[in-house]
Amino acid sequence: DAKTTQPPSMDCAEGRAANLPCNHSTISGNEYVYWYRQIHSQGPQYIIHGLKNNETNEMASLIITEDRKSSTLILPHATLRDTAVYYCIVRGTQGGSEKLVFGKGTKLTVNP
Amino acid sequence: NAGVTQTPKFRILKIGQSMTLQCAQDMNHNYMYWYRQDPGMGLKLIYYSVGAGITDKGEVPNGYNVSRSTTEDFPLRLELAAPSQTSVYFCASSYKESGNQPQHFGDGTRLSIL
Repeated sequence: DAKTTQPPSMDCAEGRAANLPCNHSTISGNEYVYWYRQIHSQGPQYIIHGLKNNETNEMASLIITEDRKSSTLILPHATLRDTAVYYCIVRGTQGGSEKLVFGKGTKLTVNP
Repeated sequence: NAGVTQTPKFRILKIGQSMTLQCAQDMNHNYMYWYRQDPGMGLKLIYYSVGAGITDKGEVPNGYNVSRSTTEDFPLRLELAAPSQTSVYFCASSYKESGNQPQHFGDGTRLSIL
């Protein structure tokens, strides 16, 4: 079972920031938070991951709360091509970490 | 950059037929994975491999077999196709298994069993 909780759907206006929340209240100290997205019928695409600190790359920013029980993926300037299902996944560093457990994710729709 | 390559992209099988889904990666990754995704659902792990000659079951291995004779290739075999195996199959790879290495996915094989 997925160890994360995400809203099933969200909408965002093109050009605005998209903030996708994720709850992972049972996360343990050595587990990373990963974000992937899946654009219609394509393979999942890696976006970003983090352990404790906030992270930023060319695609997005990841904000992790101090207690690590929740996080937010931020797409700073959403475009129509960002419409996809976004998956938040927690993943350990050893023993049982050989798989990504995908839940149902959040369907993000970016509107013109 | 090729990354993870899956073939074929589409296939229709009759019940009871067999086939092999091919997966190859050119990133020298030692970990490889097979997932299936049913309509409207997340991915479920079928099998994975931590290196050549080593494979292990995921959460839904029944009806499938795998082999890993080389670092680059990780084929998935369906011996007796059943309608329940109609799905989209994704192969993935990662450099090494730790919490700090993302998995990279292929574009999938869409399989229908009729």
